[in-house]
Amino acid sequence: SQKIEQNSEALNIQEGKTATLTCNYTNYSPAYLQWYRQDPGRGPVFLLLIRENEKEKRKERLKVTFDTTLKQSLFHITASQPADSATYLCALDVPRGGKLIFGQGTELSVKP
Amino acid sequence: EAGVAQSPRYKIIEKRQSVAFWCNPISGHATLYWYQQILGQGPKLLIQFQNNGVVDDSQLPKDRFSAERLKGVDSTLKIQPAKLEDSAVYLCASSLGARPNYGYTFGSGTRLTVV
Repeated sequence: SQKIEQNSEALNIQEGKTATLTCNYTNYSPAYLQWYRQDPGRGPVFLLLIRENEKEKRKERLKVTFDTTLKQSLFHITASQPADSATYLCALDVPRGGKLIFGQGTELSVKP
Repeated sequence: EAGVAQSPRYKIIEKRQSVAFWCNPISGHATLYWYQQILGQGPKLLIQFQNNGVVDDSQLPKDRFSAERLKGVDSTLKIQPAKLEDSAVYLCASSLGARPNYGYTFGSGTRLTVV
């Protein structure tokens, strides 16, 4: 079955720097890969979706890359701010399933 | 647009008791999901509905969990009897399409504590 691994350690960075989060998966390459943000006590919030035939996607200060050879997605937040502090989840679709499976998430802390 | 509504926000019960959670998805979203999120882990899918039909319930512990979406709109998830390991946040999500080529919209969840 598909396994998803995200940075297990919390990521601490200084305000203004670029945060880079990693999502690795085993087995099949998904048709879609999504990134979500989750704040304490809240449900995940959808950020970006990237398709298997796309190498890169951008939205404001966010950038996602998708390397099907490495079986890896990278999530970047440029010019990070303390308000970006949250847990970030990557999620992959399941073939013929119409559903997402989630990684365990990476906690990001941006210090002023 | 209104978000995904869930209630209650918190629930504390004793083991072997029963509990029910309610979810109202975004209007027009045909697909509804229930996820279980244990502290420190990512959400794990329990059941997926397309309108009022079940698409996938392979991860639902059917000896104690049940879910329904009778009119293809709101949904309830029930646990009977509850075990200590059921302590988690139960998240409801909805999406416009049946494939995850759209982002999911999640509710704030119900935090269940079984003592």
